[in-house]
Amino acid sequence: GAVVSQHPSWVICKSGTSVKIECRSLDFQATTMFWYRQFPKQSLMLMATSNEGSKATYEQGVEKDKFLINHASLTLSTLTVTSAHPEDSSFYICSADSTSGGDTQYFGPGTRLTVL
Amino acid sequence: QKEVEQNSGPLSVPEGAIASLNCTYSDRGSQSFFWYRQYSGKSPELIMFIYSNGDKEDGRFTAQLNKASQYVSLLIRDSQPSDSATYLCAVNKNTGANSKLTFGKGITLSVRP
Repeated sequence: GAVVSQHPSWVICKSGTSVKIECRSLDFQATTMFWYRQFPKQSLMLMATSNEGSKATYEQGVEKDKFLINHASLTLSTLTVTSAHPEDSSFYICSADSTSGGDTQYFGPGTRLTVL
Repeated sequence: QKEVEQNSGPLSVPEGAIASLNCTYSDRGSQSFFWYRQYSGKSPELIMFIYSNGDKEDGRFTAQLNKASQYVSLLIRDSQPSDSATYLCAVNKNTGANSKLTFGKGITLSVRP
């Protein structure tokens, strides 16, 4: 149980284009989904927290207009990196927190974004 | 003081030994504590969570929590080469709608065959 998927698992795009990453909870409903970014040899950095049907809460220093988050249902959240630049190249990981109680986060497999 | 601190490592132990991973946290009001394992190039996977003072055992893994000392640790018994990974300590200061995890930088464990 508690499986989270992400799609795509990796993406290469040109500078200036937008990339959408999907995060799905497959066997449970997620009250909250979280988006993290991880640069090589660094720890996870929380970018934003999203709840179904409401606007995402962004961490300090994360541009909400650049990283668009939509949490359309209890099993799906999307992150769109708009006008991507090489410095946005990173490992993007989502996690989901079950509605059934507790605060354990289950992570998706991650999406590796490379912007040329 | 960082919110969640882990020894910088790396930590190297021989196969079969006990690996001890330590973590301290700054917010005394923290509610729940997690250990995740992350293999290189992969996302974190949950190993254990602990909410109450004391020990919690799951197979070869034991989590220990001491809220008075603001200290949480993970012991891995009979370490195997497959345990070689980065271990992330995470702390949740709140529960419910405001719940979010703060991660330490992680410690890399290497188990020598």
